[in-house]
Amino acid sequence: TQLLEQSPQFLSIQEGENLTVYCNSSSVFSSLQWYRQEPGEGPVLLVTVVTGGEVKKLKRLTFQFGDARKDSSLHITAAQPGDTGLYLCAGGPLISNFGNEKLTFGTGTRLTIIP
Amino acid sequence: NAGVMQNPRHLVRRRGQEARLRCSPMKGHSHVYWYRQLPEEGLKFMVYLQKENIIDESGMPKERFSAEFPKEGPSILRIQQVVRGDSAAYFCASSPLNLGWANTGELFFGEGSRLTVL
Repeated sequence: TQLLEQSPQFLSIQEGENLTVYCNSSSVFSSLQWYRQEPGEGPVLLVTVVTGGEVKKLKRLTFQFGDARKDSSLHITAAQPGDTGLYLCAGGPLISNFGNEKLTFGTGTRLTIIP
Repeated sequence: NAGVMQNPRHLVRRRGQEARLRCSPMKGHSHVYWYRQLPEEGLKFMVYLQKENIIDESGMPKERFSAEFPKEGPSILRIQQVVRGDSAAYFCASSPLNLGWANTGELFFGEGSRLTVL
């Protein structure tokens, strides 16, 4: 069974500060995704990384996939209240059938940005 | 909006009753996934279906739970004889059939059905 542990589980910081959220596993994944989920809604995909060491930027968000494809990080610069939400990482298995994958989701990081 | 549609959004059942949750995937998507989310937790995979076919049900409890995705109509997740531990948010996600998309695994989620068992 593949497991993804996220840390911290809860994070509350002031607007304007920087933060990093981590997603770690002992398993290798073919791809790693980050989703954000707001209360009462479903998760929405932010980014997909597929290559070991890959870095992707989405405005103030920077995503990195570990060299061994076992871990990932999400760094937010100058956090805004709109960044508040539950951040979930999800890994795709190495072997997939039918061109689709069963994603394994992390435990989640609940982020609160205080104005 | 041609997104993933789930209903009902909220469902209250008493112990022993049946719960039926429905999911209509995005237009053009032929793959449906059901996930369960407990409060303050991530999503746990339950079942993956294509039209008229269960591909992977390894995450679904063997008893009381069943899922289908008929040729016509929405996918249905059915929970019989519900217990308090079944209280959770149940999310449906869909994806297109596209081998070129393999290994990116993007899922499009519905807004979820929140089941409360009294």
